[in-house]
Amino acid sequence: DAGVTQSPTHLIKTRGQQVTLRCSPKSGHDTVSWYQQALGQGPQFIFQYYEEEERQRGNFPDRFSGHQFPNYSSELNVNALLLGDSALYLCASSRGSYNEQFFGPGTRLTVL
Amino acid sequence: AQSVTQLDSHVSVSEGTPVLLRCNYSSSYSPSLFWYVQHPNKGLQLLLKYTSAATLVKGINGFEAEFKKSETSFHLTKPSAHMSDAAEYFCVVRFGAGSARQLTFGSGTQLTVLP
Repeated sequence: DAGVTQSPTHLIKTRGQQVTLRCSPKSGHDTVSWYQQALGQGPQFIFQYYEEEERQRGNFPDRFSGHQFPNYSSELNVNALLLGDSALYLCASSRGSYNEQFFGPGTRLTVL
Repeated sequence: AQSVTQLDSHVSVSEGTPVLLRCNYSSSYSPSLFWYVQHPNKGLQLLLKYTSAATLVKGINGFEAEFKKSETSFHLTKPSAHMSDAAEYFCVVRFGAGSARQLTFGSGTQLTVLP
């Protein structure tokens, strides 16, 4: 049984560019949550998708957007990249919004 | 205000000695509490969770945590550290009401295990 998978593993972008990160949930899971983990800090909640809709959002600007597909996979898009967007982006999936979240290995984004 | 605080950014123990990682929270509701571990280049793994059942919670790899409502604490312990326990540990809270869908992480405690 494959766990949560994320792609790509690493990504390097320059300021002002746009980036798309992808996540495939664990089998049987229908909910995807995204977190940003800056170096030396704990992960911070970006948003959660369930039934292809954003259900809750953390304290992140509108440059951060997402999408969930009918097969429950999800994308995180970040526009107009800033140096401060450099971080590890974690995807977590769960069966429903309030159950245990299983995390993927993350995508390391570096903005130059 | 709702918050979670890990009291130590770094903890160093010798192999075979006890581990104590401290966590306090502030909440207007009865939260759900978790401990996650993050090994380098690996995803976050759930160690244990408290969801208003027994106050002493046993997790994987010999870890346990005790929920103390009067102290608003949820400290993580292990009787005897192993080299493989070296990792980053996060105390995590799921607050109630409108924030119930998200997990709120502490800043983390880096555990070093000395031979």
